[in-house]
Amino acid sequence: NAGVTQTPKFQVLKTGQSMTLQCAQDMNHNSMYWYRQDPGMGLRLIYYSASEGTTDKGEVPNGYNVSRLNKREFSLRLESAAPSQTSVYFCASSGQQGLNTEAFFGQGTRLTVV
Amino acid sequence: AQSVTQPDIHITVSEGASLELRCNYSYGATPYLFWYVQSPGQGLQLLLKYFSGDTLVQGIKGFEAEFKRSQSSFNLRKPSVHWSDAAEYFCAVGSHAGNNRKLIWGLGTSLAVNP
Repeated sequence: NAGVTQTPKFQVLKTGQSMTLQCAQDMNHNSMYWYRQDPGMGLRLIYYSASEGTTDKGEVPNGYNVSRLNKREFSLRLESAAPSQTSVYFCASSGQQGLNTEAFFGQGTRLTVV
Repeated sequence: AQSVTQPDIHITVSEGASLELRCNYSYGATPYLFWYVQSPGQGLQLLLKYFSGDTLVQGIKGFEAEFKRSQSSFNLRKPSVHWSDAAEYFCAVGSHAGNNRKLIWGLGTSLAVNP
């Protein structure tokens, strides 16, 4: 069972470079999420997608864009990377936009912007 | 506003000792509550969840949690800790503010286990 797959696992960018983090889930989930995790700050929601074709901002959307390419895939793009975007990024999915369904997480992408 | 507080940033216990990790929430309605565990370098894995019914819920890896509405708490417990339980633990509450449904996360508790 692949679950939620994120690529790449590690990435180093120079300030101003762009990149896309890929995420795919094989559980036929409707909802998908992008979080960033920083020491002492827990998980912060960047963007989420309640269903195919819809996306919404989370707590910290500035500097990011997302695309819900289809039901399986939800990508996160950094157009012009900044050192403040150095973080660990997690993609997650859940079965529906409900409160009582668990979220399944990918293994994370460790991004360093120098 | 909805919030989740994990008062303990870091806890150290000896292997074989009992464990209790605290979680307090602020939420206007009946909460949906979750505990997740994150091992080093890994993603988050669900330990257990509470929606309704029995206030004592059992999870994986020998963990349990008790929902206490009067105290707005959902503390995680384990009778005897194993070295492999060393990890970061996150409490979360399901939030629905209009159409903006998402999980509200605590900042986590880091657990170290002494041999």
